[in-house]
Amino acid sequence: DAGITQSPRYKITETGRQVTLMCHQTWSHSYMFWYRQDLGHGLRLIYYSAAADITDKGEVPDGYVVSRSKTENFPLTLESATRSQTSVYFCASSESRGWYGYTFGSGTRLTVV
Amino acid sequence: AQKVTQAQTEISVVEKEDVTLDCVYETRDTTYYLFWYKQPPSGELVFLIRRNSFDEQNEISGRYSWNFQKSTSSFNFTITASQVVDSAVYFCAPAGDNFNKFYFGSGTKLNVKP
Repeated sequence: DAGITQSPRYKITETGRQVTLMCHQTWSHSYMFWYRQDLGHGLRLIYYSAAADITDKGEVPDGYVVSRSKTENFPLTLESATRSQTSVYFCASSESRGWYGYTFGSGTRLTVV
Repeated sequence: AQKVTQAQTEISVVEKEDVTLDCVYETRDTTYYLFWYKQPPSGELVFLIRRNSFDEQNEISGRYSWNFQKSTSSFNFTITASQVVDSAVYFCAPAGDNFNKFYFGSGTKLNVKP
């Protein structure tokens, strides 16, 4: 099906482990984004990408790594997970420059224990 | 960068009441864009409306209307005759001229009781 999919939906990992959250979109949108959502903070931008092989930091990039070797995929890696990274992570994509708004994935709920 | 304040953390209304969600933003851009998103209890984020900074005409779309006032940097969203299905968290999100980055407010949780 066309759309934007995130996997896994739920993940529990231990402190210090590396974990990768996947995001795949089928629209060939140029722009892709990763946000985290925490109570009281709304959504905060972690990283974004304007095209394949072009990425840039958002508001809260520390502890995260992204890559975009293909237009349709934008994985987010936590190199050494910490409890403060327990959150709900949303991936989003947009065509052009976001004028039509973002389309969000369903989110990944990550718990670091 | 943009900043946005949604001072109302949570609002509770009874069905059929009108409710206005407030949004105040800060920006240094002369041209910018304003969006509202809805997040129902199921968790997905749904795009609702957008405005340009150079278009202050307010609009009504069904039960939704919005009031954009550049002079006070406010972009308020009103639901008329609220319904239980309107219960959700609503986010205001300004974006600058290079609007590939959205900055979301902390959200307002709306509870509509039957």
